[in-house]
Amino acid sequence: EPEVTQTPSHQVTQMGQEVILRCVPISNHLYFYWYRQILGQKVEFLVSFYNNEISEKSEIFDDQFSVERPDGSNFTLKIRSTKLEDSAMYFCASTQRGILRETQYFGPGTRLLVL
Amino acid sequence: AQRVTQPEKLLSVFKGAPVELKCNYSYSGSPELFWYVQYSRQRLQLLLRHISRESIKGFTADLNKGETSFHLKKPFAQEEDSAMYYCALDNTGKLIFGQGTTLQVKP
Repeated sequence: EPEVTQTPSHQVTQMGQEVILRCVPISNHLYFYWYRQILGQKVEFLVSFYNNEISEKSEIFDDQFSVERPDGSNFTLKIRSTKLEDSAMYFCASTQRGILRETQYFGPGTRLLVL
Repeated sequence: AQRVTQPEKLLSVFKGAPVELKCNYSYSGSPELFWYVQYSRQRLQLLLRHISRESIKGFTADLNKGETSFHLKKPFAQEEDSAMYYCALDNTGKLIFGQGTTLQVKP
């Protein structure tokens, strides 16, 4: 069964550095999402993406964040200048049609630690 | 505001006992609710969804609009049910999650 994949599984970075988290959605899916989960807190929506554009973003998704689909398979989340509070688990998800009530398929996550 | 509340951080039961994981929601509209499960070191995966009304791995959940609840139930817990369970609400395509409940099934 096809799965969403994410790389790296873990990343440690220094405060102020740029990081790029990578996701490969399921191949026939068209809608992509990033969520994050700070340790001990709930999973929070960051951004949704369709047709090379952001569909919706949360208050968390400020100017330090950006998303891109650089080629036909990858979907990336860039944090321009990391802060300590960006330390979290980042999940990518995808759906086929992006319609209401459609199941989102999640990747295994990237654990980001900012020192 | 749209919100999902799971009041229990940890639920510990013995094998064979009934399980009920609580979920309450706040949503101004017709909600679509999901239960996701995360087994140890694995990804979030869909357990069941309100609209399909099916039973997966013996779990069921009924939407109660009067009580704004979507509690997850299983009559007889198994050790392999031990995992983190998240209730989530679909808000125009983005998911709003509860805090999650860790279910621990003891032998």
